[in-house]
Amino acid sequence: GQQLNQSPQSMFIQEGEDVSMNCTSSSIFNTWLWYKQDPGEGPVLLIALYKAGELTSNGRLTAQFGITRKDSFLNISASIPSDVGIYFCAGLPRNNAGNMLTFGGGTRLMVKP
Amino acid sequence: DGGITQSPKYLFRKEGQNVTLSCEQNLNHDAMYWYRQDPGQGLRLIYYSQIVNDFQKGDIAEGYSVSREKKESFPLTVTSAQKNPTAFYLCASSGEAQYFGPGTRLLVL
Repeated sequence: GQQLNQSPQSMFIQEGEDVSMNCTSSSIFNTWLWYKQDPGEGPVLLIALYKAGELTSNGRLTAQFGITRKDSFLNISASIPSDVGIYFCAGLPRNNAGNMLTFGGGTRLMVKP
Repeated sequence: DGGITQSPKYLFRKEGQNVTLSCEQNLNHDAMYWYRQDPGQGLRLIYYSQIVNDFQKGDIAEGYSVSREKKESFPLTVTSAQKNPTAFYLCASSGEAQYFGPGTRLLVL
């Protein structure tokens, strides 16, 4: 099935740096979700966005639903070692009958202490 | 404690054997899903169910089967027809957003 374009694929940053990643699509989405997956675990929902232009924070995480409804970004401020993991975006396309998400390929984040 | 449970955490399959992965949720969600994740890859949809006693094939349903006899439960059977079953299997359910279980890693002996 269709995948969202998620970038970057991987990032290796210094502890304390800010991180930004994004997802784009040629289609319109009604919902954007951001997940974090630790090795050997299931993805955990970080932030859910339901309205174009919506900006939502969860601690050091901030995500925005793009105004065109075709993109979303996730920022992490002041990264710490436990931020390491794979971050996935997911979107619910407009006119989706089955509530089935479309996923990005993931951003692997590595943090150097 | 509300959430999704999957069991077992690890499962070993012998050649020609069918194995069943359990998924239970107490979130009162109507919709449930099964995904497969291969190393370094994203999620691929195997089957989904919008309501009890109904389910639909996803993108990679061949070699798998499911049932949805109860709202809380959506077991996945990996049949002997699935020639490359080694993967991490994730169950999910959705209300307003989709939530995932902890996963089952299936290995072939």
